[in-house]
Amino acid sequence: ETGVTQTPRHLVMGMTNKKSLKCEQHLGHNAMYWYKQSAKKPLELMFVYSLEERVENNSVPSRFSPECPNSSHLFLHLHTLQPEDSALYLCASSPTFSTNEKLFFGSGTQLSVL
Amino acid sequence: AQKITQTQPGMFVQEKEAVTLDCTYDTSDPSYGLFWYKQPSSGEMIFLIYQGSYDQQNATEGRYSLNFQKARKSANLVISASQLGDSAMYFCAMRGTNGGNNRKLIWGLGTSLAVNP
Repeated sequence: ETGVTQTPRHLVMGMTNKKSLKCEQHLGHNAMYWYKQSAKKPLELMFVYSLEERVENNSVPSRFSPECPNSSHLFLHLHTLQPEDSALYLCASSPTFSTNEKLFFGSGTQLSVL
Repeated sequence: AQKITQTQPGMFVQEKEAVTLDCTYDTSDPSYGLFWYKQPSSGEMIFLIYQGSYDQQNATEGRYSLNFQKARKSANLVISASQLGDSAMYFCAMRGTNGGNNRKLIWGLGTSLAVNP
């Protein structure tokens, strides 16, 4: 496998469920990101990890909990979500957390909260 | 505040013709970078092209070129010889290069491009 892989591709969950999104990158990158993409809104950066340390947390509600056990894996743990959390969640990576580096994205997890 | 504006929600182009997708930006940073990404229906964002604010020449990558007009704060993407596979959403994004909060990418709302056979 190459690139950035996200699982699952689709997820439907109730508001009381607990689920996790998984992201894996095979590019040897040191920075990983979680983004939220909602209709008619700009892409929102949620979390950034650089060398397995969280370097950015953009006022994301505590019902979203990231985890980066190593530089190749990133998780987003979900609990007690709201219907407005329904969106496409994109994972990305870059060689470092640098300003002019391009991001490599996965295909996303389409999340529906009922 | 930093902002990206893409004024064209949807565009159509005939196959093999060129198309320009508009992007204007607002920043007070003297140094910044501009990116274009493509998002096909599969969902994956694909990097297309990058332009640094101090780059002397407009960026080009194959059929993609960036018409960078710094005084107008515009960074339009030009796709030459459109192909059916170019049908997708296109996003313009900007990142400051001075560190701190300006390292976050600011995204536009995107333009949906449809290439007609």
